[in-house]
Amino acid sequence: DTGVSQNPRHKITKRGQNVTFRCDPISEHNRLYWYRQTLGQGPEFLTYFQNEAQLEKSRLLSDRFSAERPKGSFSTLEIQRTEQGDSAMYLCASSFDRGEMGDTQYFGPGTRLTVL
Amino acid sequence: AQSVTQPDIHITVSEGASLELRCNYSYGATPYLFWYVQSPGQGLQLLLKYFSGDTLVQGIKGFEAEFKRSQSSFNLRKPSVHWSDAAEYFCAVGAIKAAGNKLTFGGGTRVLVKP
Repeated sequence: DTGVSQNPRHKITKRGQNVTFRCDPISEHNRLYWYRQTLGQGPEFLTYFQNEAQLEKSRLLSDRFSAERPKGSFSTLEIQRTEQGDSAMYLCASSFDRGEMGDTQYFGPGTRLTVL
Repeated sequence: AQSVTQPDIHITVSEGASLELRCNYSYGATPYLFWYVQSPGQGLQLLLKYFSGDTLVQGIKGFEAEFKRSQSSFNLRKPSVHWSDAAEYFCAVGAIKAAGNKLTFGGGTRVLVKP
């Protein structure tokens, strides 16, 4: 297992188009997170899944954003009617929930979205 | 609400010199603390973490960090910097399990290494 993978690595789209990103977590990790990172900033939490259940969504996640993890393995993040303000790096992370101890999140390489 | 402050946006250090990156957090309970490093255009790599126990934690690439509860700090150090350490460094605090374990990141510190 080589870690968290994300596809595509880069996406250029025109304003108003829909885009979908995929994240494949580390095998057997039951938690999956999405973050967004704009230029010069730290990542900001968007949403996370425990297995296939989406348990929390940030206020940053507008109605145009939707995330799924249908079988508790890979996840997709879709942005509808993209806007220039959506241009950012979208990072995926996965972890294994060990109960009482905090989990450690391992990040993928990210998908860089540019909206023209 | 939890928050993280990294007071230094940029730090320039000579190769072979020591490095210290500051991190201050705000959190209402015992925090989980992390340092990640990010090279340009790449994802984040975990350097080290603090969950409990010994307040001085060792990480990869010769980095260490010290948790000081009284100062709400988790500063990152390296005794001798290599040119390959040039990157952006992020401190993060994790919420307790019931709150979902999402990470809150600081704004990052960009490290430049002079030959």
